[in-house]
Amino acid sequence: EPEVTQTPSHQVTQMGQEVILRCVPISNHLYFYWYRQILGQKVEFLVSFYNNEISEKSEIFDDQFSVERPDGSNFTLKIRSTKLEDSAMYFCASSDETGISYEQYFGPGTRLTVT
Amino acid sequence: KQEVTQIPAALSVPEGENLVLNCSFTDSAIYNLQWFRQDPGKGLTSLLLIQSSQREQTSGRLNASLDKSSGRSTLYIAASQPGDSATYLCAVGAMRFGAGTRLTVKP
Repeated sequence: EPEVTQTPSHQVTQMGQEVILRCVPISNHLYFYWYRQILGQKVEFLVSFYNNEISEKSEIFDDQFSVERPDGSNFTLKIRSTKLEDSAMYFCASSDETGISYEQYFGPGTRLTVT
Repeated sequence: KQEVTQIPAALSVPEGENLVLNCSFTDSAIYNLQWFRQDPGKGLTSLLLIQSSQREQTSGRLNASLDKSSGRSTLYIAASQPGDSATYLCAVGAMRFGAGTRLTVKP
């Protein structure tokens, strides 16, 4: 069964460093998303991406964040200068575009620890 | 701004019991509502997706209903099993998640 994959599973970085989180969405999906979940808190929407551009973004997704689909398979989230409060699980998700179903499929997540 | 609330925050039941998890939302103009399961330290597994034009969806022992006018969705789990123990999340569209209900099914 197709699945969303994410790498790395755990990333430790120092405050102020840049990190890139990588995702491979399900191959025939056209909508891509990033979410974060701070330990013990709700899943929070960051950004959605369609047709090579951002379609929606939340107030969390400020200038420190960027997304890119550098090739036909990868979808990346970059945090330019990490802060302690960026420590969280980051989930990638994708959904198809049948016009009927926008069921989201999530990856296993990347745990980001900023020290 | 859409707010999504899940009650109760935690629920413990004996094996075999039927149970209902609740999700409420403040803005009835929704596109769809999706129920997920999350195991500790893991990603989200999709359980059921209900489009705004639908009233319910079923998959195996799970049944989800949607009442947009009252801003409510319920997830019904029949004949619960210890393997059902997890946190259950509802999401309105792609952008608003509830905090989840942590379910424990005791053998």
